[in-house]
Amino acid sequence: QTVVIQESSFSVSPGGTVTLTCGLNSGSVSSGYYPSWYQQTPGQAPRPLIYGTNTRSSGVPDRFSGSILGNKAALTISGAQAEDESDYYCVMYMGSGILMFGGGTRLTVL
Amino acid sequence: EVHLVDSGGGLAQPGGSLRLSCAASGFTFSSYGMAWVRQAPGKGLEWVSAIDGSTGTTYYADSVRGRFTISRDNSKSRLYLEMSSLRAEDTALYYCARAYYWYYFDFWGQGALVTVSS
Repeated sequence: QTVVIQESSFSVSPGGTVTLTCGLNSGSVSSGYYPSWYQQTPGQAPRPLIYGTNTRSSGVPDRFSGSILGNKAALTISGAQAEDESDYYCVMYMGSGILMFGGGTRLTVL
Repeated sequence: EVHLVDSGGGLAQPGGSLRLSCAASGFTFSSYGMAWVRQAPGKGLEWVSAIDGSTGTTYYADSVRGRFTISRDNSKSRLYLEMSSLRAEDTALYYCARAYYWYYFDFWGQGALVTVSS
C-alpha cells in the first residue's frame, strides 16, 4: 500500500525560506507523478499553488516554487509572509486514474 | 467565472445512503474531468473519486470502491456522488473539484458536510 508522506509540521521565520517535502513510503518521486500542491486555511476550500511539479497556478506569488529534490517533491517558500501560515497538501498521480494526497504539513510563521 | 456549488449533505445512519450534487457554471462542463475530495473533521484531504468529461470513465479510491458511485449529467452541468453502505469514517466535508488536468484541481466547491451517525 503506497503512502504519500509529508512533514506533519514546520515553522519558518518571517522573511525566511522553507522547503516542504512530499515523498513515498516506497520508491522515489519523479515528474511522472505530476506532484501538485495546495494551500488550505481553516474553514476554506483548498487553494491550488503548484501543479505538474513546478508550474504555478494563476495568481500565485513567485515566492512559491515547486521542484524535485532528491527522491521527493518539494514546495519552497522564499521570503515567507505571515499570510503563508496554512496547511499545505501535496497530491500525486499514482496511475490508472488514481490520485493520492499526503497527510499535510501545518506551517507556522513566527 | 467558474462556480461549483456543492449540495446534498446531511445526517445519515450507518449503512444508509446519501446523494451529493455539484452544480457547475462558467465553463463547458463536458470538457473537464471532475472529482470529489473529502476531508474528515480535523484531518487531511482524501481523493475519493473522479470521472472523465466525455467518456464518463470513473475511478475510485479503495476506501469507497463498491459503495460510492460518481456520475455526471453534462446537459445539466451537474456532478453527483451516490453514497451507500455509509460508515462512521465517511463523515467528512465533501468537495467537488474541476480537473483542469487529471492530476490538477483548479476550482473547488465550498463543500457539503456528510455526517454518518446513529
